[in-house]
Formats: sequence, structure tokens, C-alpha cells
Amino acid sequence: AQTVTQSQPEMSVQEAETVTLSCTYDTSESDYYLFWYKQPPSRQMILVIRQEAYKQQNATENRFSVNFQKAAKSFSLKISDSQLGDAAMYFCAYRSGGANSKLTFGKGITLSVRP
Amino acid sequence: DVKVTQSSRYLVKRTGEKVFLECVQDMDHENMFWYRQDPGLGLRLIYFSYDVKMKEKGDIPEGYSVSREKKERFSLILESASTNQTSMYLCASSSIFSNQPQHFGDGTRLSIL
Repeated sequence: AQTVTQSQPEMSVQEAETVTLSCTYDTSESDYYLFWYKQPPSRQMILVIRQEAYKQQNATENRFSVNFQKAAKSFSLKISDSQLGDAAMYFCAYRSGGANSKLTFGKGITLSVRP
Repeated sequence: DVKVTQSSRYLVKRTGEKVFLECVQDMDHENMFWYRQDPGLGLRLIYFSYDVKMKEKGDIPEGYSVSREKKERFSLILESASTNQTSMYLCASSSIFSNQPQHFGDGTRLSIL
């Protein structure tokens, strides 16, 4: 079974600074996808960024980028120019390739942004 | 935009009651999911469904059942609510394609007294 580990329960960043959230996973599969989700205090979970395992290039979405290290099974999220609205819980998730696969989530990390 | 709607944001029930949590999605997604979210434990999958009338157990199905009579609707049922089922419940839907994300509802904060 796949596992996803987010070892840091909380992090804090100064507004406008850069922060990196860590995530590792364990799998024996070669076909899979990785996701970072954000859950603001209003609670709706939204997708931040996704990474296909077969792609070597790290995914980027505006201020959000990932550092995907396939051999090390590491998938960290970098948030540049942090904003107050980035304060939220962030979850790393793994999904196997193939139809009808489930998501496996990490326990999440709470990010606070200091003004 | 995908819309996943959960019937209640907050719900208070009593021990032993039968509780229904409803979820509706408007994107014709094949897959639907029910999660439970507790502090320090992340999201844990209760049940999921990949087609009408189909269901599979997730990681913590005990004390729960589900129903999917129509493609757009997925119900979570607590047959006899207990205090340890007090939690946040999240519904999600997705297409069958594994590169596509799941889309979540706003969540239901359920308290069992």
C-alpha cells in the first residue's frame, strides 16, 4: 500500500518570503500522480498543483512550484512571495495510475503567514 | 466549475440516531468519495463509489454505509450514530482518469451528542 508522509505539522512564513513544505511517499508503482491541496479556514479543499510521475520537469503554477525527486520519493511544495491568503492547511496526496484509483493523503501541514 | 454540494455545513444529532449525509456533484463524474477529517489524522477514506450502485470500502468503513442510486448523488449513512463519529466529513468527486484531481464539497461538521 502507498503511504504519504508530511512530517512537519506546522510551519510559519513571513509575508513576501518563500517557504517549502515537505512531503515524501512510498510506492512500488511507476505510474502515479502527485497533488498538493490547500484547505483554507473556510474548509473547501482546492487543488494547488499536480505532478505526473513520468514527467521530469517540475510543475509550476504561478507562485507555487514543486521539487519532485522521483528516486528519493520526495514531492515538496514551494510557495514564493507568500501572501496572507496562503495561510491554510496543505495536504500532499498520491494517486495511482489507472482508472478509478483512490487518493492517499498525508496528515497535512498548517501554514501560517506573518504580516 | 465543478460543484460538489453537501447538504449541511453543521449537523447535531444524538447517539443512536440514523444519520444521512448527502452529496451531489454536477460534473457527471463517475467516482465519488466520502472522507472523514480529524485533527492530526488528515483525511481518511470511508467509502468510495466508481459507478451507480457500486461501492468499495475505504480505510475506515466500520459504522458507516453508503448509497449511490444516481450518478450525481452519494449518501453516507451512520446506521446508529456514536460520539466517536463526531467529525468533519468531506465528500469529493472525480473522473475516472487518475491525472484528474478530486473536487471537494465544503464539508459537514457533524456533532453526535
